[in-house]
Amino acid sequence: AQSVTQPDIHITVSEGASLELRCNYSYGATPYLFWYVQSPGQGLQLLLKYFSGDTLVQGIKGFEAEFKRSQSSFNLRKPSVHWSDAAEYFCAVGAKSNTGKLIFGQGTTLQVKP
Amino acid sequence: DVKVTQSSRYLVKRTGEKVFLECVQDMDHENMFWYRQDPGLGLRLIYFSYDVKMKEKGDIPEGYSVSREKKERFSLILESASTNQTSMYLCASYLSGRVSYEQYFGPGTRLTVT
Repeated sequence: AQSVTQPDIHITVSEGASLELRCNYSYGATPYLFWYVQSPGQGLQLLLKYFSGDTLVQGIKGFEAEFKRSQSSFNLRKPSVHWSDAAEYFCAVGAKSNTGKLIFGQGTTLQVKP
Repeated sequence: DVKVTQSSRYLVKRTGEKVFLECVQDMDHENMFWYRQDPGLGLRLIYFSYDVKMKEKGDIPEGYSVSREKKERFSLILESASTNQTSMYLCASYLSGRVSYEQYFGPGTRLTVT
């Protein structure tokens, strides 16, 4: 079955520390992978996406993610977290299709300590 | 920029009421989606529509119906609201065939059924 797992429901990091949010997927076809962020009271905003090519992708707000096919993972990283990064983060997987349907993970809530 | 708007940010309804959630997008996208977001469960697809008057059930369609009479507008209908439908509802749109395969989200409607 197709699925996305974000093992960490809640993560707390200190401001200025590095961050890694984990994402594992199970998908039969070649996956298209996404990370979205949801700030409090807001809709989801795309951080970055991977379709093909370089397995390290850069996104907005200083985030990056690395696709590892052998581990079925697409972990999100940031070298130095800012207080404004506190939000909920969703990993999603889809296929190249006309519908654009995605499967989302459970989400990881990031808290940033001053 | 694509803009997806939802008719209400917060809504309180009574059990048994018929509830309409409206979503409008301004970029002529063919595909539109309704998701339900609950803590620890991520986003779950209720229905999606790939054209006017065309719809497909998602993963959790029970208790919901949808209407798409115009391309820009996608409505979610709770025929008889129940307390277990208290949730955050997110609408998204997607341009078929677009290279980015990005879904664009509205700000969400937080529905409380009492």
